Amino acid sequence: DGGITQSPKYLFRKEGQNVTLSCEQNLNHDAMYWYRQDPGQGLRLIYYSQIVNDFQKGDIAEGYSVSREKKESFPLTVTSAQKNPTAFYLCASTPRPLSGNTIYFGEGSWLTVV
Amino acid sequence: KQEVTQIPAALSVPEGENLVLNCSFTDSAIYNLQWFRQDPGKGLTSLLLIQSSQREQTSGRLNASLDKSSGRSTLYIAASQPGDSATYLCESYNFNKFYFGSGTKLNVKP
Repeated sequence: DGGITQSPKYLFRKEGQNVTLSCEQNLNHDAMYWYRQDPGQGLRLIYYSQIVNDFQKGDIAEGYSVSREKKESFPLTVTSAQKNPTAFYLCASTPRPLSGNTIYFGEGSWLTVV
Repeated sequence: KQEVTQIPAALSVPEGENLVLNCSFTDSAIYNLQWFRQDPGKGLTSLLLIQSSQREQTSGRLNASLDKSSGRSTLYIAASQPGDSATYLCESYNFNKFYFGSGTKLNVKP
């Protein structure tokens, strides 16, 4: 079955460390997105990519970085510059960019700073 | 910039009740509006998608309506069940972006 796989499900980060969240999709979708969700809040866009080797900052990109070397993969790195990284991170994709298609989500990754 | 609001933030009802979840948005120039379900610690699952030219969509016990002129959408759940307990989020697509509400957390008591 096609879908979006995020790993790991739970991740702990020590102060000053960079960590990378994986997102892989086998839906053959062009566009991929990373969102952050804090308790009781809506989703906030971190980065998005419309095509391989291209990506744009979202509303809260500071302290995060991404790459899009393959169509199927869109990893998110949470750097030490992100001062409050504890949150639930969701990866999503759409068949085509900027077209208002249904957006599909992975199961999410929890990141906690220890 | 679009703002999407969902009130109330939480709702608790006895099993069997019909209920309505509300979603409001500030800019009526939406391309479509979508309702999602999110179980604790999980991703979002699409329930219903309403295109801007449509007034409502139905799937089983769920019915979503859209009134662009008033900036409102409602999700109607008939004969609620404990399995319906989850957070329901609405999302509008306009200005080439997805805008999400913060959700209504629904608890259906047996």
